[in-house]
Amino acid sequence: QLQLQESGSGLVKPSQTLSLTCAVSGGSISSGGYSWSWIRQPPGKGLEWIGYIYHSGSTYYNPSLKSRVTISVDRSKNQFSLKLSSVTAADTAVYYCARGSKYGDLDYWGQGTLVTVSS
Amino acid sequence: EIVMTQSPATLSVSPGERATLSCRASQSVSSNLAWYQQKPGQAPRLLIYGASTRATGIPARFSGSGSGTEFTLTISSLQSEDFAVYYCQQYNNWPQTFGQGTKLEIK
Repeated sequence: QLQLQESGSGLVKPSQTLSLTCAVSGGSISSGGYSWSWIRQPPGKGLEWIGYIYHSGSTYYNPSLKSRVTISVDRSKNQFSLKLSSVTAADTAVYYCARGSKYGDLDYWGQGTLVTVSS
Repeated sequence: EIVMTQSPATLSVSPGERATLSCRASQSVSSNLAWYQQKPGQAPRLLIYGASTRATGIPARFSGSGSGTEFTLTISSLQSEDFAVYYCQQYNNWPQTFGQGTKLEIK
C-alpha cells in the first residue's frame, strides 16, 4: 500500500521560504506514468493545486504561484519536495502531497501538514 | 483557468435517503473529472475518476455521471460515515482546478 508523509517546518516567517518534503513508501517514485503533486488548503477553505513533478522530472506549476514555487525529486530517498518563496500570511494552509494517477486524478494523499506564516 | 462550480454549497439529507451533488465546469473537461470526500482533519479521499469510475474500495452506493461541463455525484442511501465535504476536480486542462465543495450534513 502506497503511503505519503509530509514533513517540514510548521512555522515560517513572512518573506522567508517554506520548505516541505514528502516521503513515499510502499512504491517507487520513479515508477512510470505517475505524477507527484502538492496541494494546499487554507483553514476553512477549499483546495488549491500548487504543482506537480512527473517521474521524468518535468514540472508544472500553478500560474498563480509559478514565480515562487519549486518542486524537485530525490530518487535516492524516494521523496519529493516543495519550496515556496516570499511567503505571506495568505500562504498559511494545510499542505498535502499526493500521487497523480495515470489518468490525472489524485489517488493517494499524505495526511497533510499545517504551515503557519507568522512573525 | 477552468472554474468549477459546485451546488448546492450545503445539502441537508436524512440517513438512508439519496443525495445528489452537482458540479459544473466553465468549459468542457470531457470526462476528466474526479470526486473526493473530505472529513474534518483528514486528507481528501478519491471516490470517482473519469467522471463515473469508482476508485478502489469505494462502495457501490457512490456513483458519478456526466461529461463535458455538467457532472453529478449520487449517493444512493446515505450512511452516517458519508456526511462530509465533497469536492470535484477537473484534470483536463492545466492548472487542474477544484470546485469550492459541497458540505453534506445530516438533516
